[in-house]
Amino acid sequence: QVQLKESGPGLVQPSQTLSLTCTVSGFSLTSNSVSWVRQPPGKGLEWMGAIWSGGSTDYNSALKSRLSISRDTSKSQVFLKMNSLQTEDTAIYFCATRVFAYWGQGTLVTVSS
Amino acid sequence: DIQMTQSPPSLSASLGDKVTITCQASQNINKYIAWYQQKPGKAPRQLIRYTSTLVSGTPSRFSGSGSGRDYSFSISNVESEDIASYYCLQYDNLPWTFGGGTKLELK
Repeated sequence: QVQLKESGPGLVQPSQTLSLTCTVSGFSLTSNSVSWVRQPPGKGLEWMGAIWSGGSTDYNSALKSRLSISRDTSKSQVFLKMNSLQTEDTAIYFCATRVFAYWGQGTLVTVSS
Repeated sequence: DIQMTQSPPSLSASLGDKVTITCQASQNINKYIAWYQQKPGKAPRQLIRYTSTLVSGTPSRFSGSGSGRDYSFSISNVESEDIASYYCLQYDNLPWTFGGGTKLELK
């Protein structure tokens, strides 16, 4: 069955870089896209970007200058890196696939000193 | 970017009521809209895709309709397990964009 699981640090200091991993199973990254979505506490959902089956990427224009998404197909992993973090980047970060038919459980990232 | 204006932001209903949520896109999205349910502490769950196609496992009391810029999502006979937040998503154009959400509460 399709599964996704996010992992990464729960706490990041302001101005530092966030690195998250989405480990998938039950489907191939070379046949499916994976997106990252975030949700600040108590607020709505924001699509951050995606890596497509062919390996190309697209990003939300509001985050494009700070965001990078990549993958390792041999490990079935998708990576998110976002630099220059600020407190407003505190959120639950989700990875999802197939137009968000399948989601990971999410991981809370707090930006604080 | 396509803006998705979702209303109302919150909704109070009694068990058995019918409720309707709307999403208006800033431009034609060609029926590429999906609806999601999210309960506290959980990831969103897709209920409907392509305006009106129920995803496997979605109860038939959920429905969706619309075209062009205007779309709606309804729950007939609200049950206690439907108490959640609901979001629309347009996936016609990048960047994909979500509506602001609707929190459904029990009256």
